[in-house]
Amino acid sequence: QVQLVQSGTEVKQPGASVKVSCKASGYTFTSYGISWVRQAPGQGLEWMGWISPYNGNTKYAQKLQGRVTMTTDTSTSTAYLELRSLRSDDTAVYSCARDPGMAEIDYWGQGTLVTVSS
Amino acid sequence: QSVLTQPPSASGTPGQRVTISCSGSSSNIGSNTVNWYQHLPGTAPKLLIYSNNQRPSGVPDRISGSKSGTSASLAISGLQSEDEADYYCAAWDDSLNGLVFGGGTKLTVL
Repeated sequence: QVQLVQSGTEVKQPGASVKVSCKASGYTFTSYGISWVRQAPGQGLEWMGWISPYNGNTKYAQKLQGRVTMTTDTSTSTAYLELRSLRSDDTAVYSCARDPGMAEIDYWGQGTLVTVSS
Repeated sequence: QSVLTQPPSASGTPGQRVTISCSGSSSNIGSNTVNWYQHLPGTAPKLLIYSNNQRPSGVPDRISGSKSGTSASLAISGLQSEDEADYYCAAWDDSLNGLVFGGGTKLTVL
């Protein structure tokens, strides 16, 4: 069965960077894109961007351009999200999701809590 | 503020039919398909409806989706206690060039 297993909770100081991993199993990793979505406390879902593990093509949300990088390691079927220059309003649960076509999310990871606090 | 508008809450008694609306615009729902997700706290969200009205395998046929113009709806009939969860709609937005979500609707089974 399709599984997306994410790395654990992170606590970061403002200005730092965070890198969240998402290990996929149960399907051919390079055949499906990966989207990243976050949810701040008490807020709705926010799409951060998408990456194709097949060719590395990415599309980032305009709001996060310049601060976010999505990568994949096809040898380990793992996707990574890096967010830099963290601010308090980046505190959120970050989730990876299998997304064949950039708007077709069908499976989600369990989420990773990232807290930004001094 | 979410791009797609959903009521913050909905409720029903066991066996009833409830509908959850999702309102958008010509740049999102009006020109692209809508997906619906069920989210139970502490678990990964689950895809309930894709392409406006298609159910993935394993989703019961008492759950249905529809779309008309710039709005979409999720209907759950024969309401069960296990349906108590948060529900989100999502669609691609051509103007924002990104995936947008509704703010979520908390469904309570009374």
